[in-house]
Amino acid sequence: AQTVTQSQPEMSVQEAETVTLSCTYDTSENNYYLFWYKQPPSRQMILVIRQEAYKQQNATENRFSVNFQKAAKSFSLKISDSQLGDTAMYFCAFRENFGNEKLTFGTGTRLTIIP
Amino acid sequence: ETGVTQSPTHLIKTRGQQVTLRCSSQSGHNTVSWYQQALGQGPQFIFQYYREEENGRGNFPPRFSGLQFPNYSSELNVNALELDDSALYLCASSGRDFQETQYFGPGTRLLVL
Repeated sequence: AQTVTQSQPEMSVQEAETVTLSCTYDTSENNYYLFWYKQPPSRQMILVIRQEAYKQQNATENRFSVNFQKAAKSFSLKISDSQLGDTAMYFCAFRENFGNEKLTFGTGTRLTIIP
Repeated sequence: ETGVTQSPTHLIKTRGQQVTLRCSSQSGHNTVSWYQQALGQGPQFIFQYYREEENGRGNFPPRFSGLQFPNYSSELNVNALELDDSALYLCASSGRDFQETQYFGPGTRLLVL
């Protein structure tokens, strides 16, 4: 069974700084998808960024980028120029490339942006 | 384009009762997945429905059951509620293409007393 580990329960950073959230996963599959979701206090889970395992290029979405290290099974999220609205729980998630599309989530990292 | 919606937003039940939660999928999506998120935890997969058929189930007992309708909306039913069923229940919809991303609704907060 796949597992996802987020080793940083909480992090805080000053506004406008850069922060990196860590995620490792365990799988025997070669093709899969990785995601970062953000869950603000409003509870709604919002997709931040997605990475396909077969792509060597790291995904980027504006201020958000990932460092995908397939051999190390590592998938970190970098947030540049952090903003107050980035304050939220961040979840790393894994999905197989076959079968049903269930997501396996980590336990999350609570990120606080300090004004 | 309409996003994923869920109802109700909050619900309080007592142990032993039954509850039904509802989810309307995003326009164009035919797959619905349900997750349970206990306080301070990541979501756990309950089950998934594709074109009205169950398409995978997580480690949840049979008292958790579901349904998907022809318009792809879905229900989650929980019988014989237990205190540990208190959680945020999230619904996510996606297209059937395996490259599709799951988009989540705002969730239903269930409290079992």
